[in-house]
Amino acid sequence: SQELEQSPQSLIVQEGKNLTINCTSSKTLYGLYWYKQKYGEGLIFLMMLQKGGEEKSHEKITAKLDEKKQQSSLHITASQPSHAGIYLCGADGGNTPLVFGKGTRLSVIA
Amino acid sequence: DTGVSQDPRHKITKRGQNVTFRCDPISEHNRLYWYRQTLGQGPEFLTYFQNEAQLEKSRLLSDRFSAERPKGSFSTLEIQRTEQGDSAMYLCASSLGGLQEKLFFGSGTQLSVL
Repeated sequence: SQELEQSPQSLIVQEGKNLTINCTSSKTLYGLYWYKQKYGEGLIFLMMLQKGGEEKSHEKITAKLDEKKQQSSLHITASQPSHAGIYLCGADGGNTPLVFGKGTRLSVIA
Repeated sequence: DTGVSQDPRHKITKRGQNVTFRCDPISEHNRLYWYRQTLGQGPEFLTYFQNEAQLEKSRLLSDRFSAERPKGSFSTLEIQRTEQGDSAMYLCASSLGGLQEKLFFGSGTQLSVL
């Protein structure tokens, strides 16, 4: 079965700093999804990447997919307290329900 | 725009009791998913429906768990004879259906088994 490994597990950054979260898959990626979760809440969709080399941005968040490496990265520029939360990557293994990583817990301090 | 709705938000029960959760998906969505999430972990797939048909069940779904989607609209997840290990956040998600479609999640039901 497909497994996703996220790194780091947790991250504390100072407001205004940049950061990167990585997600590595044990199998071929047919689609890679990034979600954000506030503690005790549901998941909010951020971005979906489907093709190798694809890069998408939304506000200060950029995600890239390296299909050959079976890896995706999520980069936040000039972090703000509103970016705090749990970032989860989810993988589509090809007509199977999404499998998720364990998440990266981000704290942004003033 | 009504998103995915889950009820209740929180449930506290004693070990051995039965509990039932409800999920109302986005109205035009054909697919409905149930996931379970414990502290410090990502969501784990339990089961999903295409309209009223239950298409796949995870090995995590023991015979104490049953899910239904009788008219292809809302769904219920029942846990019989709850155990402390059932304590988790139960998340429901829906999608239009088909390949590579994003899931829309509800806020979840937090279950605590005492």
